[in-house]
Amino acid sequence: QQQVKQSPQSLIVQKGGISIINCAYENTAFDYFPWYQQFPGKGPALLIAIRPDVSEKKEGRFTISFNKSAKQFSLHIMDSQPGDSATYFCAASMEAGTALIFGKGTTLSVSS
Amino acid sequence: KAGVTQTPRYLIKTRGQQVTLSCSPISGHRSVSWYQQTPGQGLQFLFEYFSETQRNKGNFPGRFSGRQFSNSRSEMNVSTLELGDSALYLCASSLLGGGRTDTQYFGPGTRLTVL
Repeated sequence: QQQVKQSPQSLIVQKGGISIINCAYENTAFDYFPWYQQFPGKGPALLIAIRPDVSEKKEGRFTISFNKSAKQFSLHIMDSQPGDSATYFCAASMEAGTALIFGKGTTLSVSS
Repeated sequence: KAGVTQTPRYLIKTRGQQVTLSCSPISGHRSVSWYQQTPGQGLQFLFEYFSETQRNKGNFPGRFSGRQFSNSRSEMNVSTLELGDSALYLCASSLLGGGRTDTQYFGPGTRLTVL
């Protein structure tokens, strides 16, 4: 049973464009929703995270939007750059620092 | 501060063998979690250790086991290897093992190939 569904599976965006990745979760007990970025040959690295009591969080070019009633959250990458080309994973857990349930990942390619 | 380190980085084993992977968390971190990453199943939680005790376990067979030492270093063991165990095994550490400001930091992983 997949508890976190992520889409799209792959995404191609022009340099300077906006990349949008969506996730939906099922378990309302989840209380922490991070996004991780993974480059080939590396482990995932935390990009940005949000809790259900906040509808939006922005850090630089990265923004998470959270819709608690719809059980959905999304990552927006503004002014996408070739260096953003990586695989992005959404995740959810009961509490920050505990077991993460990951989405299947989105491979982002930013063309120059 | 050094990040999470995992050894070895690459490993090739044959079916039926067993394997032990090692993880050294970030200095001061008390919680270590293990994940399996495959192209088909993605990233899946294996288990979490805190203060030498397994606190949480994912949906994996008993062939997968782990332990944590008093210095927070952790090992995971897979016995009777199967072809489907080929994967990238990731270790993540967190300071408190839970809390409003806690975060899991991942190592580079160990790439296990089972022939």
